[in-house]
Amino acid sequence: EPEVTQTPSHQVTQMGQEVILRCVPISNHLYFYWYRQILGQKVEFLVSFYNNEISEKSEIFDDQFSVERPDGSNFTLKIRSTKLEDSAMYFCASSGQGRQPQHFGDGTRLSIL
Amino acid sequence: QKEVEQNSGPLSVPEGAIASLNCTYSDRGSQSFFWYRQYSGKSPELIMFIYSNGDKEDGRFTAQLNKASQYVSLLIRDSQPSDSATYLCAADGSSNTGKLIFGQGTTLQVKP
Repeated sequence: EPEVTQTPSHQVTQMGQEVILRCVPISNHLYFYWYRQILGQKVEFLVSFYNNEISEKSEIFDDQFSVERPDGSNFTLKIRSTKLEDSAMYFCASSGQGRQPQHFGDGTRLSIL
Repeated sequence: QKEVEQNSGPLSVPEGAIASLNCTYSDRGSQSFFWYRQYSGKSPELIMFIYSNGDKEDGRFTAQLNKASQYVSLLIRDSQPSDSATYLCAADGSSNTGKLIFGQGTTLQVKP
C-alpha cells in the first residue's frame, strides 16, 4: 500500500539554526499538509499546499516557516531560525482531493537544544 | 475558534466488549469527519471517515454522524487489547482547503 515517507525520523538542532524536514507524499495525491504535535498535546494544523501554492496556513505558521515542492516528489518544511518551542513531532500528510482522507507519514521528531 | 472536543479518558473496557468514543465539533461548515488511531509515539493512522448523516460500518468499526447535533462517534465491537490506543477525532474546516481540526483524543484501554 502506498505510504507517505518522512525523513529524518529524528532531528536534533541548536536553537537559532535552520532545519528542513522532508516528505515524499503518495504519488498520485494532489494535496499536501504539515501538522505538528507537541508532546502530550493535540495534533495542530500548520499548512495546506495545492497546485504549488499555500492554500491555508495557521497562526503557528509564521514568517519563520516555509514550504516548498522542489520537484515532482518531495514536499519540504523549512524552519528558518528554530526556537525551543518548535520542539515537537512534525507530520506530513497527503490526500487525493481536499476533503478526502489524509494519510500521515511516520513523522519527524524535532528536538531543539 | 473552531474546535473539536473529545473526552480524554481513559476509557476502559473488557476484551470483547463494545467501546464507544464520542466527539463534538463547533464548525457547522465541516463536511468530512475522520477517526484516527494513534499508538504512543507513532503517527495517526486512519480508521474511518464519514461524510453523511447516519452510520457507516467497516469490519468491527462503525462511525456515526449527526450534523444537527454536531456529533460524531466511533463504535468498536469485539474490542481487543491491540485496540488500546488514543483515538483522534478530526473535522475538516469550512474553508475547503482540507485543513483538519483534531480533538485532544480519547485513550482507550482494553483489558484482557
